Amino acid sequence: AQRVTQPEKLLSVFKGAPVELKCNYSYSGSPELFWYVQYSRQRLQLLLRHISRESIKGFTADLNKGETSFHLKKPFAQEEDSAMYYCARSDSNYQLIWGAGTKLIIKP
Amino acid sequence: EAQVTQNPRYLITVTGKKLTVTCSQNMNHEYMSWYRQDPGLGLRQIYYSMNVEVTDKGDVPEGYKVSRKEKRNFPLILESPSPNQTSLYFCASSLGSGRAQETQYFGPGTRLLVL
Repeated sequence: AQRVTQPEKLLSVFKGAPVELKCNYSYSGSPELFWYVQYSRQRLQLLLRHISRESIKGFTADLNKGETSFHLKKPFAQEEDSAMYYCARSDSNYQLIWGAGTKLIIKP
Repeated sequence: EAQVTQNPRYLITVTGKKLTVTCSQNMNHEYMSWYRQDPGLGLRQIYYSMNVEVTDKGDVPEGYKVSRKEKRNFPLILESPSPNQTSLYFCASSLGSGRAQETQYFGPGTRLLVL
């Protein structure tokens, strides 16, 4: 079965420290990978996708096909980064398969 | 304002009492989808719709029905709710035919408690 694994339910780091939210996916063809974010009291929204190769709010994510990973990284965490982060991949029917999510807490 | 709306936002009901959660989008999106979110499980797709009158089962369709009579609306129907359907429900839409490359826009969520 196609799966997305986010091994950390909770990640807590200090402001200014580097952040890495892990995401591993089951190998199947050439999936599209995404990171979605949900800030407190806001809707779930797209943060970035691997095909865009972009940096959003200082976050980047590199697709590593060898390790089947799509970890989300930011060199210097800010308090406003505190949120719930979801990794997702496309499946063979072009639907999204979601990870369980990682709650990121940035401590002042 | 372009958005996805859901109603109600909160609902407490009893086992077996039929209910409908509405979802509406004003962005002329073709694709709409329903998810449920449960602790430790992430989002799981219930049903999706590529266009009007076209609906398909997602990963967890049992106990749910949907309809897509008009482009903007995609109601989720629980004919006979059970306690295991207590969850947080999200509706989402995207512009195109549902390919995952399309950005999905989410509603605010509906928190359902079935007693």
